[in-house]
Amino acid sequence: EPEVTQTPSHQVTQMGQEVILRCVPISNHLYFYWYRQILGQKVEFLVSFYNNEISEKSEIFDDQFSVERPDGSNFTLKIRSTKLEDSAMYFCASSDERWAFFGQGTRLTVV
Amino acid sequence: DQQVKQNSPSLSVQEGRISILNCDYTNSMFDYFLWYKKYPAEGPTFLISISSIKDKNEDGRFTVFLNKSAKHLSLHIVPSQPGDSAVYFCAASRMNNAGNMLTFGGGTRLMVKP
Repeated sequence: EPEVTQTPSHQVTQMGQEVILRCVPISNHLYFYWYRQILGQKVEFLVSFYNNEISEKSEIFDDQFSVERPDGSNFTLKIRSTKLEDSAMYFCASSDERWAFFGQGTRLTVV
Repeated sequence: DQQVKQNSPSLSVQEGRISILNCDYTNSMFDYFLWYKKYPAEGPTFLISISSIKDKNEDGRFTVFLNKSAKHLSLHIVPSQPGDSAVYFCAASRMNNAGNMLTFGGGTRLMVKP
């Protein structure tokens, strides 16, 4: 069964450092997303990506965040200068016309 | 702005009985509603969905009911099994040129006791 894969599963970084979270979406999907879940809180939408550009983003997705699909298979989320409050589970998802399938998540810990 | 709300953070049910998880929403522009199941340290897994033009969808032990006038949906699991113990997220979908952006509720932790 096709699945969304994310690497790494856990990333620890120092405050102020840049991190790149990687995702391989399901191959025939056209829409790609990043969500995050801060511990104990709800899953929150960050950004959606379609046709090689950002199609929608939330107010969480500020200038510190960027997304890229550099080679047609990987989908990355970059946080330029991490803050303590960026610590969360980050979920990548992809969808065809309707259902979003999620990866296992990357736990980002900013220290 | 909580467009999707799950008012019960947790629910405990005996094995074999019915589990009912509830969800309320405010935005009448949502066109699909979905339930995702999430185990610790895993991503949400799609469980069942319902179109806004329907009032019921059934898939095995799982049934979702939609009451549009009340802006309320519920997930029924019958019979409940210990393996159903997980966090259940209600999500609402608005299909647009951004794709299928989901707005999630806060989740309900279901515990099914043997």
